[in-house]
Amino acid sequence: EAEVAQSPRYKITEKSQAVAFWCDPISGHATLYWYRQILGQGPELLVQFQDESVVDDSQLPKDRFSAERLKGVDSTLKIQPAELGDSAMYLCASSLQGQVGTGELFFGEGSRLTVL
Amino acid sequence: DQQVKQNSPSLSVQEGRISILNCDYTNSMFDYFLWYKKYPAEGPTFLISISSIKDKNEDGRFTVFLNKSAKHLSLHIVPSQPGDSAVYFCAASEGGYSTLTFGKGTMLLVSP
Repeated sequence: EAEVAQSPRYKITEKSQAVAFWCDPISGHATLYWYRQILGQGPELLVQFQDESVVDDSQLPKDRFSAERLKGVDSTLKIQPAELGDSAMYLCASSLQGQVGTGELFFGEGSRLTVL
Repeated sequence: DQQVKQNSPSLSVQEGRISILNCDYTNSMFDYFLWYKKYPAEGPTFLISISSIKDKNEDGRFTVFLNKSAKHLSLHIVPSQPGDSAVYFCAASEGGYSTLTFGKGTMLLVSP
């Protein structure tokens, strides 16, 4: 069964360090999303890509976060410098053509970040 | 300002009984509503959805009810099974291709 792959599963870092997360969506999925889920909260969208283009990054803290999907396939989310408040689960999701309203949104297992 | 609210952080139910999870929303432009299920250390998985033109959608043991006038939806699980124990997120979007807005989740515990 096709899955969204994410790595690393777990990352512990000290504040002010750089951290990066990688995501490989389901093959053929044009739309890719990065969500952040803080403990006790629901997932919140950070950035959405359509192929290699950013569609929505309005909630991405651009002073420290960056995201790219250079060839329109896999994607990297970077945080530099990491802050204590960045501790969260970072979820990548993909969709064939973005029709999320009917459930066509598939999540990876997430990358758990702990900032000390 | 939370547009999707799940006011019950947790719910405990006995195996075989009905589980009812509730969700309220404030944005009248939402027209697609979904429920996602999340096990620990896993990503959320889609469970069931409903569009605003319907008031009920069933899939096996899972039924979602939508009350547009009250801006309220609920997920019914009948009968509940221990394997249903998970966090359930309500989500909504304005149009089928728009960003999903999630609630904070309700942790369901089904005991044998």
